[in-house]
Parts: sequence; structure tokens; C-alpha cells
Amino acid sequence: QQQVKQSPQSLIVQKGGISIINCAYENTAFDYFPWYQQFPGKGPALLIAIRPDVSEKKEGRFTISVNKSAKQFSLHIMDSQPGDSATYFCAATSPYSNDYKLSFGAGTTVTVRA
Amino acid sequence: GAGVSQSPSNKVTEKGKDVELRCDPISGHTALYWYRQSLGQGLEFLIYFQGNSAPDKSGLPSDRFSAERTGGSVSTLTIQRTQQEDSAVYLCASSSSGLGGDTQYFGPGTRLTVL
Repeated sequence: QQQVKQSPQSLIVQKGGISIINCAYENTAFDYFPWYQQFPGKGPALLIAIRPDVSEKKEGRFTISVNKSAKQFSLHIMDSQPGDSATYFCAATSPYSNDYKLSFGAGTTVTVRA
Repeated sequence: GAGVSQSPSNKVTEKGKDVELRCDPISGHTALYWYRQSLGQGLEFLIYFQGNSAPDKSGLPSDRFSAERTGGSVSTLTIQRTQQEDSAVYLCASSSSGLGGDTQYFGPGTRLTVL
């Protein structure tokens, strides 16, 4: 079964708007949450990641946050641009063990309309 | 090389044929992963290599799937007697050590179509 549940499956946002993607997990050992961005015909590429003991991280227009008590984490894309149109995957793992395996969400296809 | 490379980029085969997919990881990366991405689906873990050993093959969907890695570098994923449900994009990734928290760098994938 999928250890990370991601929503929505797809979203459409106007240029300049905010895109919000949410993920939920069950494994309380998860403490490293990377987000990957994938363009058509390409492999996923790391977009931004949040490391243990940090609840929020911002890089440019991208902000990720984690709520461990709720076992949820999210990606916000501010001032969305047409170039942000891609599929976004959340992922989770435990960095303290030899748990190398990333558990991925099912992905969210974001379309930014000009 | 600059990144993870995979070949071929596209493979069309007939049901029942065997196929081999190749992955060249980033030089020096000890960990290598294979994933499968079906249309509209997330990434399904297949197998993990640390060096030439595969400590976790738990994601391989059937005994028709096998993989090997040689010289701590190139890996080959082999699918025998392909079925239509094997059609997907097969992604390879590598990371420097394989520890949780290491960034996994993905290749562009091989799109497999089984007719």
C-alpha cells in the first residue's frame, strides 16, 4: 500500500496564483521530506527538501512545511509561472536508519495558465 | 558523466520477448535504484543496489524481472517474457551513499511499450 498519500491529483492555477499540494504519511519514523519536479519526457529532479528538526523551508517561490503531529507536509508555489507546469511528487524517508528507500506520493500535475 | 543516463530511451517490443534496460549512474555513486512509473501513477520502487549487491529486491513484481550491477557502476534491468502490463517508464536513480536523506538523482527513463 502507498505509504504517502498525495492530493490533489491535478490542479490548474492562473499565472501569479498559489499552488498548494498536500501529502500525508503514516510512518512516524519519516523525517526527511524531499519534493521532486518532473517535466514531460524527463526524469524527476529534486526541487526542495526539508531535513529533520526543521518545520519549514523556503527557496525562492517554493515553500515546504511539515506538521509532524498531523503527519502531513505540503508544498506551496507562490506567484506560479507557466514554467512551473509539471508533475510534482512528494516523498518521505527516515534519515536516521539505513532506510534508503524513498516512499513517493502518486504525483500532482500542475498546470499554470498564462 | 554529468548525470544518470539510461538506454534505450524508448523500447517497443512484442509480448513474450525479453528486454534489457541499461542505467549508467553518476560516477562514484555507490547506491543505485530502479523505479517503475506507470501512466498517471507515482514511482514504484523495484530494486536497490549498494555497490554490486542488491540488499532489497522486494519491489520486483515477478520472477520475470531481474537486475544486476557490475563494477559498482552500470546496471541492467531485464524483463523476460514481457507482458502488456509491463508497459511503463522505467527510471533509474543513483545516490552517493544510499543513506536515508541522500539525494537521489534520476535518469530520463526508458519508455517500454509491450504490444
